[in-house]
Amino acid sequence: GQNIDQPTEMTATEGAIVQINCTYQTSGFNGLFWYQQHAGEAPTFLSYNVLDGLEEKGRFSSFLSRSKGYSYLLLKELQMKDSASYLCASLDSNYQLIWGAGTKLIIKP
Amino acid sequence: GAVVSQHPSWVICKSGTSVKIECRSLDFQATTMFWYRQFPKQSLMLMATSNEGSKATYEQGVEKDKFLINHASLTLSTLTVTSAHPEDSSFYICSASLGAGEVETQYFGPGTRLLVL
Repeated sequence: GQNIDQPTEMTATEGAIVQINCTYQTSGFNGLFWYQQHAGEAPTFLSYNVLDGLEEKGRFSSFLSRSKGYSYLLLKELQMKDSASYLCASLDSNYQLIWGAGTKLIIKP
Repeated sequence: GAVVSQHPSWVICKSGTSVKIECRSLDFQATTMFWYRQFPKQSLMLMATSNEGSKATYEQGVEKDKFLINHASLTLSTLTVTSAHPEDSSFYICSASLGAGEVETQYFGPGTRLLVL
């Protein structure tokens, strides 16, 4: 079956670094997405990885290991506005997104 | 670029009425549009995938006669919730992708919050 696992909730301190992990098992693989979703709003695109390695984009970086079915989203210099849910989604062989349940990130001063 | 709008953003209706939600890609042509539903504290649940000019593909468990989808042009898809009931109250989100041959990054509309009384 198809499955995406990520922690339900994480807490971090303003200015710190946090890593949100995601493991996936999908029928075929065409890439891994990370989206940010603030409460009451629609998701916004953060990153897309299809090759192994780390992609850095400002304060946010995303890592992929295809052999391990594993990805993480790394957020540096955390700001209060980073409090949101972070959704991991895998693109399967039919180019359909399989969504994780999301990780709620709580930032404390 | 890649802006998607949804209208209305909020709707409250009586049980038994029908509600139409519009999804528009404002600055690109969207070959494929997706409709999601999200209940509180849950992830997105794909309801259906619609391609311009053809019938929508519904996910298992989604009633096609209740959730009517029309994708009449490359910039507009509509979702009509027919004979809405309180259990249909949810956050409905559409997204659009650039289509075949492109990375399937989905650009989301702002969502429509439906409350059925």
